[in-house]
Parts: sequence; structure tokens; C-alpha cells
Amino acid sequence: GAGVSQTPSNKVTEKGKYVELRCDPISGHTALYWYRQSLGQGPEFLIYFQGTGAADDSGLPNDRFFAVRPEGSVSTLKIQRTERGDSAVYLCASSTGLNTEAFFGQGTRLTVV
Amino acid sequence: TQLLEQSPQFLSIQEGENLTVYCNSSSVFSSLQWYRQEPGEGPVLLVTVVTGGEVKKLKRLTFQFGDARKDSSLHITAAQPGDTGLYLCAGEYNNNDMRFGAGTRLTVKP
Repeated sequence: GAGVSQTPSNKVTEKGKYVELRCDPISGHTALYWYRQSLGQGPEFLIYFQGTGAADDSGLPNDRFFAVRPEGSVSTLKIQRTERGDSAVYLCASSTGLNTEAFFGQGTRLTVV
Repeated sequence: TQLLEQSPQFLSIQEGENLTVYCNSSSVFSSLQWYRQEPGEGPVLLVTVVTGGEVKKLKRLTFQFGDARKDSSLHITAAQPGDTGLYLCAGEYNNNDMRFGAGTRLTVKP
């Protein structure tokens, strides 16, 4: 596709379960970002990939959160033992490099019940 | 603590009024970007400013980057209801890492 694709668009899970959120960036974009956004707030940084490596994972809130990008394209955000406080919209963005536009997906709305 | 502080957090004005929103930080950025976000959508880029003191205009929107590349402002002239949305600033570091402010939620009433 032409844009950043995130799947699923909505995910409802029970507290304690494991979830995976997928991001398919624009082809050729080396930079990939994950953010978490709560209602009425700005995107909260989670992790940034440059190619296959996590250049900055300082935003991951705790060790229940993990993200991979094994081939430098698709990325998966993994959340273990989900908690109700993890409920939010998880946004993914990609860009070609420094000072260039970051293109966002429409997000995955995660609800932990 | 937000790296980027945006003010005001909320702004409600009448159609035709002018407004300015601010984005401030203690960090120096390689560039600063302004995005607008609609409900249920991801943010969409409005402008990127790179040079200290730079001013960019996009129709009724004027963006300025501070001389020290730590702050920015967005001025809207003759606001319209279609300008309603969440305005986000994002600072980019030299390594392409990017952080967002909490946003200014603008409502323009007809």
C-alpha cells in the first residue's frame, strides 16, 4: 500500500493476556516510530528504529513492552501481561530520514478489559 | 515531564479571529514539525522548520522557529471552523529521534 498500515485497527483483550500490534511502514522508509496516545493527549514516544535496530527504546514503560523490526521493514509491538492502563491508541510512523515528514498510520486502538 | 511544552492546552475562538499557539523546550532540535490531528486519524504534517529564525507560511498559517531552535509558534489568521483540531509540535533530534508535545486543542466556532 501507499501509506503506513497498522493492524488490527481495534483490539480488545482481557487483562493479563499477550497482544501483538503490527506496523507496515512505507516501503523504503528506514526510520520507524511507535507512539502511544491517550484521549486528548499528544503522542507519547515508545521506541524508534533506524533500520533493524532500536536506536532509542527509552520510552518503553516497562519490560512488558517489547518491539522488533527484524528485516528493517515491518515492526511488531508486543505487550505481555496486559493491564487496563495499557489501553490507548498505539500509533506507528515512518520516515526516510532526518528532517523529513513522518507518515502516520491510523493507529491500533487497544482496550484491556 | 514533557520535553516539549505546548500552550495553551485548549483554545476556543470565534470564526474570523486570529490566534497563536506556542511550543517550547529546553532542548535544541535539528528541526521542528507541526502536525494536525483529526479524531480517529494519525497526525498529518503541516510544516517542517529547520533553520533558526525561519518563518514559513501556509495560506493562513504562519510558522516560526526560534533563533536558538528550541521553540516555535503557529499563528492562524482569520480562523475558520475547518481549522478545528489538535495541533501538535514535534522536535527532531540529530539522530532522527522525534518527540511530541501534548498538543493544543483548537475549536473554531461558526
